[in-house]
Amino acid sequence: GESVGLHLPTLSVQEGDNSIINCAYSNSASDYFIWYKQESGKGPQFIIDIRSNMDKRQGQRVTVLLNKTVKHLSLQIAATQPGDSAVYFCAEAGGSNYKLTFGKGTLLTVNP
Amino acid sequence: GAVVSQHPSRVICKSGTSVKIECRSLDFQATTMFWYRQFPKQSLMLMATSNEGSKATYEQGVEKDKFLINHASLTLSTLTVTSAHPEDSSFYICSARGLADRPYEQYFGPGTRLTVT
Repeated sequence: GESVGLHLPTLSVQEGDNSIINCAYSNSASDYFIWYKQESGKGPQFIIDIRSNMDKRQGQRVTVLLNKTVKHLSLQIAATQPGDSAVYFCAEAGGSNYKLTFGKGTLLTVNP
Repeated sequence: GAVVSQHPSRVICKSGTSVKIECRSLDFQATTMFWYRQFPKQSLMLMATSNEGSKATYEQGVEKDKFLINHASLTLSTLTVTSAHPEDSSFYICSARGLADRPYEQYFGPGTRLTVT
């Protein structure tokens, strides 16, 4: 299984740049994949989801890409803003009760 | 819509005491509620799943006698940490899902910071 060390992966970008956050998932049988944003001291906030039969989905300023061959998910944020600074988690869901299994998380810092 | 609240947002308790955390769905009926635990700089770990009116299903390694979950109504679930110890200090987050929602959809509460001294 994954290690759960005390240091989150981090990504630091300049305001206006595009950000790409990556996630490796473990269960090839998962039906849905979801990206969440979590600001400090708050609960996760839904960003975008994608079903396993798709490989790309776009939202407002965000795009999720799914590569089932290598079990990889990415979140692209266009024109990153300081308000995008947060920890981003991917989650996978499947099985009879659709429990969410969260990935490690990535801390995104946007420099003005 | 789909707002979930938690109370309290922060709580400090002494070792050996019990503390109750409430999770409410404010504008929808939550047939299923989930409780997560999150340590600093780590991910969310599912503790248990509860369906209204039935016993909670605990994840492996989570002590059901220590973390008592009650889902007595379609808008309220409670988590009671019994005989709390400093290692129980954590950020506890609940989420809820309504009957009409997509099967994987969960609306998260703002979390409760528990500190055990």
